[in-house]
Parts: sequence; C-alpha cells; structure tokens
Amino acid sequence: AQSVSQHNHHVILSEAASLELGCNYSYGGTVNLFWYVQYPGQHLQLLLKYFSGDPLVKGIKGFEAEFIKSKFSFNLRKPSVQWSDTAEYFCAVKSHNTDKLIFGTGTRLQVFP
Amino acid sequence: SQTIHQWPATLVQPVGSPLSLECTVEGTSNPNLYWYRQAAGRGLQLLFYSVGIGQISSEVPQNLSASRPQDRQFILSSKKLLLSDSGFYLCAWSGDRAETQYFGPGTRLLVL
Repeated sequence: AQSVSQHNHHVILSEAASLELGCNYSYGGTVNLFWYVQYPGQHLQLLLKYFSGDPLVKGIKGFEAEFIKSKFSFNLRKPSVQWSDTAEYFCAVKSHNTDKLIFGTGTRLQVFP
Repeated sequence: SQTIHQWPATLVQPVGSPLSLECTVEGTSNPNLYWYRQAAGRGLQLLFYSVGIGQISSEVPQNLSASRPQDRQFILSSKKLLLSDSGFYLCAWSGDRAETQYFGPGTRLLVL
C-alpha cells in the first residue's frame, strides 16, 4: 500500500532562517505529488504540485519543492521564512491509477520574529 | 470560479444522536467529491469518495456513511454518533481527471 512519511513533526525557526521539510513516499509507479498548507483558522490550500517535467517546482509565497525519483522524495524548501509562514504543511501523493490522495501526517512550522 | 462550502462549521452532538454534514460545490459540474477526517498528528484520512451521483466508495470501516443525492452535493451521515467520531471533517473536490483536490473550510464535530 502507498504511504507518505513526513519525518519532521514540529519545526521551530526564526525569521529569515532557511526551511526544508522532508517528504518520502512508497510507491514504485508514476505519481503526482503535492504540498498543501493550512494556516491557523484557514482552509487547507494547495502550495505547489508536481505532475511531470522539471523536477524543481515553484509554488506560491516563495516555496519550492524538488522531486527526486531515485529517493522517492519531494522535499519542500524556502530560503528565508517569515512569521506568516507559521502553519501546518502536508505532503500528499496520488498514483496515476487511482483517484485517491494519500497524505502525510503533517509538519507544524512555527516561525518566531 | 469554483467554490466549496461546508456546514455547519462547528457542531456539538450527544452520543447516540444522528449526524448530517453537508458539502456543496459551485462553479463546476461532475466533480469527484471526497470526505476526509483530520486528526491531530495523524494527517488526513480519506473516508469516502464519489465519482458521480449515487456512486460512493468507502475507504475505512466505520460508523459513518456518505451519500451524493445531487451532482454537486455530498453528505456525511451517521445514525448514532460515537465519542470516537469527534474530529475535523473536510470535504474536497477535484475535476473528473482527479488531478488536484481543493478543500472546503471543514466542520469541527465534538461528540459528548
């Protein structure tokens, strides 16, 4: 069965620090990959996605993620975080032969000014 | 543009009472619809999904059921709530190619 692992459960950073959140998945076939973000009190919203092409994907608010097929990874990065990036971040994977998204357990990011 | 609505936003119900949570989508036709439960530290668990009216797939055995009486309406129900049904319930939709899912604001359910 497919699974998604987010090893960082809680990350605390100061503003301007660099961010990298890990995401690994287990599925050998073709996948679509997603990062969603949930700001306090708001909807879960799409941050970025990878379907095909350039494995380095740029999303909203300066976030990017790199798909490394050989490592089954899709890590999220931002060179300089802001206090407003405080949120919970979810990685998700969908294989091409299903309509279902499999989510990781989420990473809670706290950024202090 | 497409929008997704859920209501109520918050619900407190006694154990053994029935449940009905509603989700509607505007601005699209024949969407795929999904119900998830979000628990702290456990991510999102897919409960049900539907590719069309009257077509429901259940992902996990549980005390809940889902129905899709209209193209853009998805309902989550229970005949008798359990304490363990407490949680945050999210509805989502995607296009018929099921590529990207878009989420509603959620319903927080507390069963006492």
